[in-house]
Amino acid sequence: NAGVMQNPRHLVRRRGQEARLRCSPMKGHSHVYWYRQLPEEGLKFMVYLQKENIIDESGMPKERFSAEFPKEGPSILRIQQVVRGDSAAYFCASSPLTSGSSYNEQFFGPGTRLTVL
Amino acid sequence: AQSVSQHNHHVILSEAASLELGCNYSYGGTVNLFWYVQYPGQHLQLLLKYFSGDPLVKGIKGFEAEFIKSKFSFNLRKPSVQWSDTAEYFCAVANTNAGKSTFGDGTTLTVKP
Repeated sequence: NAGVMQNPRHLVRRRGQEARLRCSPMKGHSHVYWYRQLPEEGLKFMVYLQKENIIDESGMPKERFSAEFPKEGPSILRIQQVVRGDSAAYFCASSPLTSGSSYNEQFFGPGTRLTVL
Repeated sequence: AQSVSQHNHHVILSEAASLELGCNYSYGGTVNLFWYVQYPGQHLQLLLKYFSGDPLVKGIKGFEAEFIKSKFSFNLRKPSVQWSDTAEYFCAVANTNAGKSTFGDGTTLTVKP
């Protein structure tokens, strides 16, 4: 069973370009989470999605950032008009469908390291 | 809102020394607690987790953590560290409903051979 997959692993963009980061959750997982790790900092939650729904986007910057998790295909984190401050590692995690109040562990992907020149 | 505080940003130890990394959280409800490790150039790996039951949790690679509810703490311990334990360690908290985890800023552990 393949783990969480993210691509690309490394992405270089010039200021003003768009960055698209992809995340394929583990098989059978319908919950996806995106986190950002800035240099010398911990992971900061960005957004939580289920298939075709954004459940919690409280950590997403108000502008330029968007996320989707379509019915078919990977989850996409999109950053428009990137700036140098967007340079970071972006991690995706997935978890299976929850039942009742039990919490399911999140499994992390290898991350995409975005560098904005 | 949840928050997680890791007391030490950088810890340096010699091999065979004992390790304790502090983690305190703030959240009034029932929580799930995690410790992750990130080796240089690699992604996060789960070391151990606490959902319920015995507050002393044993994880991989000889690590353990103790949940002390009254102190809102979940400190990570290892009796004897190895050079290969050099990595960054993150404590994380989530409430018992599915959703985001809140991470601490991490502790960088350097083990000198």
